[in-house]
Amino acid sequence: DVKVTQSSRYLVKRTGEKVFLECVQDMDHENMFWYRQDPGLGLRLIYFSYDVKMKEKGDIPEGYSVSREKKERFSLILESASTNQTSMYLCASRPLGTGEQYFGPGTRLTVT
Amino acid sequence: DAKTTQPNSMESNEEEPVHLPCNHSTISGTDYIHWYRQLPSQGPEYVIHGLTSNVNNRMASLAIAEDRKSSTLILHRATLRDAAVYYCILRDARYTSGTYKYIFGTGTRLKVLA
Repeated sequence: DVKVTQSSRYLVKRTGEKVFLECVQDMDHENMFWYRQDPGLGLRLIYFSYDVKMKEKGDIPEGYSVSREKKERFSLILESASTNQTSMYLCASRPLGTGEQYFGPGTRLTVT
Repeated sequence: DAKTTQPNSMESNEEEPVHLPCNHSTISGTDYIHWYRQLPSQGPEYVIHGLTSNVNNRMASLAIAEDRKSSTLILHRATLRDAAVYYCILRDARYTSGTYKYIFGTGTRLKVLA
């Protein structure tokens, strides 16, 4: 079974803090993704990575950065958290050339 | 970007078939149609995908219109565990890296009545 794990299910941070969300997959997938999910807006792609150290902006990258130093790990960084970044964050991975994405359970981040 | 349109919500009785519709009138010839579902408090999970022909797997069936402008996800016998948000997604144009882009809409919330 493919497993995508995220470091926390729930996280509460203060405005201005630097926040790290970690995602790990155990199936040697090339592609990894970070989405945020908000009521009425569905899932929106923030960033993705198609190889180690390679990344590309998604639809809403502002206020976020990412890091992929190892194939199995993809980190989402909020340099200075703001209240409008309160959301559910979902990580996914996908092998090269196939359609099926595997999602983690999500991290619900609250910024106060 | 090609987009999909789905009803916001649907209801079904347990043990009955469910037909979840999706319109994608601007689909291009090479776009695959994917369905995912999201159970409460979980990340989305893959259900099925297809290009032109109807597809079946252990979870569901996918019926694709001949002109490909619409598709229907069929759950043959709904159970309470099928209550979820169902997303119809197109594998869309590629990013510069060659990675396919998926556009998730707001999906259809399926309620299954006991």
